[in-house]
Amino acid sequence: GENVEQHPSTLSVQEGDSAVIKCTYSDSASNYFPWYKQELGKRPQLIIDIRSNVGEKKDQRIAVTLNKTAKHFSLHITETQPEDSAVYFCAASKGGQNFVFGPGTRLSVLP
Amino acid sequence: KAGVTQTPRYLIKTRGQQVTLSCSPISGHRSVSWYQQTPGQGLQFLFEYFSETQRNKGNFPGRFSGRQFSNSRSEMNVSTLELGDSALYLCASSLPAGAITGELFFGEGSRLTVL
Repeated sequence: GENVEQHPSTLSVQEGDSAVIKCTYSDSASNYFPWYKQELGKRPQLIIDIRSNVGEKKDQRIAVTLNKTAKHFSLHITETQPEDSAVYFCAASKGGQNFVFGPGTRLSVLP
Repeated sequence: KAGVTQTPRYLIKTRGQQVTLSCSPISGHRSVSWYQQTPGQGLQFLFEYFSETQRNKGNFPGRFSGRQFSNSRSEMNVSTLELGDSALYLCASSLPAGAITGELFFGEGSRLTVL
C-alpha cells in the first residue's frame, strides 16, 4: 500500500524566514496531495492541496510543488509568522476519502 | 454552517471494555471517515463510509468497527479495549461523491484513555 514519508520531523525558523517541508510517496496511482495544519489542541485544517495534473500551486505565503516522476511534493511557507507555528501533515490519496498521512512536521517560528 | 461534531470529547475506559464514538458530519456531507491520531503513529486511516456503506477500510483489527446512518451520522466502536487504543479519534466529513477526492473537515476529536 501507499507509504508517505515526511521530513524534517521538527523545524525551527526565525520569523520572516522561509520554511520547507518535503514528503515522498510510494504509490504512483496517488493523484491528490493535501497539506493540513494542526495547531496545539486543535483539529487539522486544510491549508493547500495539489492534484497530479498540476506542478505547482500558490496561495499567498504558501505554495506546494509536486514532482510526479520523483514522487515527492513539498510545502513552502515564506515570510513565516509566529502563527505559522503548528504541526503540518502531508497526505496522499488515489481516490475517495482514504488518505495516507505523513508523520508530521512540528514547525516553530521563533520571534 | 455547523462543523463536524464528535461526542464524547473525552472518555476513560479500562482494558477489556468497549466504547462507541459518535460523529455528526457537516450538513450535506455524505462521506464520513475516521482516523486514529497518536503521538508515535500520526494520523492513521480507520475507515470511510458513504451512503451507509463502508467504502474503504484501513489496516486495523476487527475490534474496530463502524457504521453510518441514513442521516450520514456515523459511529465507531472499539471492543475489548487495549492500552494501545488510547488515542485521539478524529472524524472527518467531506462533500464530494464517488471517487472524487476533496477536503476533509475534521471534528475536534474524541480523546480515549484506556487504563
